[in-house]
Amino acid sequence: DTEVTQTPKHLVMGMTNKKSLKCEQHMGHRAMYWYKQKAKKPPELMFVYSYEKLSINESVPSRFSPECPNSSLLNLHLHALQPEDSALYLCASSQDIRGPWNQPQHFGDGTRLSIL
Amino acid sequence: DAKTTQPPSMDCAEGRAANLPCNHSTISGNEYVYWYRQIHSQGPQYIIHGLKNNETNEMASLIITEDRKSSTLIRPHATLRDTAVYYCIVLITQGGSEKLVFGKGMKLTVNP
Repeated sequence: DTEVTQTPKHLVMGMTNKKSLKCEQHMGHRAMYWYKQKAKKPPELMFVYSYEKLSINESVPSRFSPECPNSSLLNLHLHALQPEDSALYLCASSQDIRGPWNQPQHFGDGTRLSIL
Repeated sequence: DAKTTQPPSMDCAEGRAANLPCNHSTISGNEYVYWYRQIHSQGPQYIIHGLKNNETNEMASLIITEDRKSSTLIRPHATLRDTAVYYCIVLITQGGSEKLVFGKGMKLTVNP
């Protein structure tokens, strides 16, 4: 079992749909992350939130819109996605990143997204 | 780009030690080495990390060379459940935040 919970586990959507992925943690972590993982490839960082503020955006297309409404929740809003956006989307969290840089990230098991 | 290189795959017999190598020749003095693994259909799982000294926890041991240009992850008694992709990662800092830049990883297969 993972301490980072992602919902839904699977999502199929059309290119014109709007949907959201949700990530939740109750470990008191103040940094949260979104990664994208294509089949047989390593995870790639998309966004980093620190204390509910966006601190890193890895040049992700605007059809992906992150949101961090509070310290426990992280959302990824999806709109007008393309078939190549089909992938596993992973969320992670870690403790206060303003402290020593030796704090591991804890990952959820991801949302498997398919774009029709 | 990832700052680590690993062999693409390795086999290990069940019950034997699995020694997983990693090169990180461009690592900076204050950058940590992290190891994660990813079992099929799951998210990456943290294993261990270190800076200079060797480290041990309930999952594994991490041996870092004195020049810090390479490291070895050791699972002393591998089980079939250790079959996974293992990632050796140098933690990068950017603008006050941290980044895990995953390389291709190494597929470890533990055989009966």
